[in-house]
Amino acid sequence: DAKTTQPPSMDCAEGRAANLPCNHSTISGNEYVYWYRQIHSQGPQYIIHGLKNNETNEMASLIITEDRKSSTLILPHATLRDTAVYYCIVRVAWEGNKLVFGAGTILRVKS
Amino acid sequence: GAVVSQHPSWVICKSGTSVKIECRSLDFQATTMFWYRQFPKQSLMLMATSNEGSKATYEQGVEKDKFLINHASLTLSTLTVTSAHPEDSSFYICSARAGSGGNEQFFGPGTRLTVL
Repeated sequence: DAKTTQPPSMDCAEGRAANLPCNHSTISGNEYVYWYRQIHSQGPQYIIHGLKNNETNEMASLIITEDRKSSTLILPHATLRDTAVYYCIVRVAWEGNKLVFGAGTILRVKS
Repeated sequence: GAVVSQHPSWVICKSGTSVKIECRSLDFQATTMFWYRQFPKQSLMLMATSNEGSKATYEQGVEKDKFLINHASLTLSTLTVTSAHPEDSSFYICSARAGSGGNEQFFGPGTRLTVL
């Protein structure tokens, strides 16, 4: 079972920052927070992951609260091509561990 | 990131026939590959995990005799849907994990199966 809770959908204006929340109140100490996205009729794409520190890469930033019970994925300047389903997943980062996808958040970027 | 391909990208078949879907890691060796199924407007559901050279591990409720998985090499895994029926129509997605040190999964583009 998925261990995360996300809003079913969100809208964002093109060019603005998109902030996608995720609750993972039962996360354990050795579990990482991963974010993937799936554009319609394509396979999921890895975005970012983190343990407890905030992380940033060329795609997004990940902000994890100090108690690690929630996190926020930030797309700094959303474009129409960022319209997708965004999945927040918690998992132990050891070899072989599988990804369990929840329902995700449908992000619609509008011009 | 690493590239994973699937073939075919879509297939239509008659009820009762078998369909084989290939998943290849193009620029890395994948010791573990995963097969997912996704019905319209639903999330991905893991079907099975396959490790190169050993039998696949199936998730609860997935029939191993119906969904045959072969992971014969470090770059290729195949999923065969045997005696396909209309309810098997779905989007099948594979992912691959590199064996040496990395634990990220890279996903293929998916295969759309329609059973008439």
